[in-house]
Amino acid sequence: DVKVTQSSRYLVKRTGEKVFLECVQDMDHENMFWYRQDPGLGLRLIYFSYDVKMKEKGDIPEGYSVSREKKERFSLILESASTNQTSMYLCASSSSSEGMLRGYTFGSGTRLTVV
Amino acid sequence: GENVEQHPSTLSVQEGDSAVIKCTYSDSASNYFPWYKQELGKGPQLIIDIRSNVGEKKDQRIAVTLNKTAKHFSLHITETQPEDSAVYFCAASMGSNYQLIWGAGTKLIIKP
Repeated sequence: DVKVTQSSRYLVKRTGEKVFLECVQDMDHENMFWYRQDPGLGLRLIYFSYDVKMKEKGDIPEGYSVSREKKERFSLILESASTNQTSMYLCASSSSSEGMLRGYTFGSGTRLTVV
Repeated sequence: GENVEQHPSTLSVQEGDSAVIKCTYSDSASNYFPWYKQELGKGPQLIIDIRSNVGEKKDQRIAVTLNKTAKHFSLHITETQPEDSAVYFCAASMGSNYQLIWGAGTKLIIKP
């Protein structure tokens, strides 16, 4: 069964800490995405990547950075965590081979609380 | 910018009845329309999708219809069961960028 694995289900961090959220996919997908999900706000795109070492800003990149050194791994970094970054973070991957977008596969999510 | 509107935000139906969720998209270049189901504490999961060269697609109790002229597509669930209770998201591909634009979600409640 194909998978997107997020390293932690729950995290509690202190304000000002540097936080790393890790995501690994085993489907050889080109595209990877980080979203945050908050009640009433749906899915908001933070960053995405079309290839190794490539990254593009999404709708809400402020306060975040990403790293994609290997095709299967996409990391989200909170440089200095703040309480307004308390949220559910979802990683997803997809293939767009032959010019055709296919559905995303999501991880189970990481619920981050910043105190 | 491009967007997808999804209605209703909450839908409550009696077990065994049908449920319909509707989405409207703005990007005329969109050609791929997936639907996702998110259960409590889990990530969204793809349940059905449709491409612009097809008007309808069915998979057991779930069907999706697409009207390209009106730029809207709908999810139909027949003979609803308690396990259908979840949040459902529609999405549309964003032109040629291989990204998806998401609807805001519909919370489906199945009453016993």
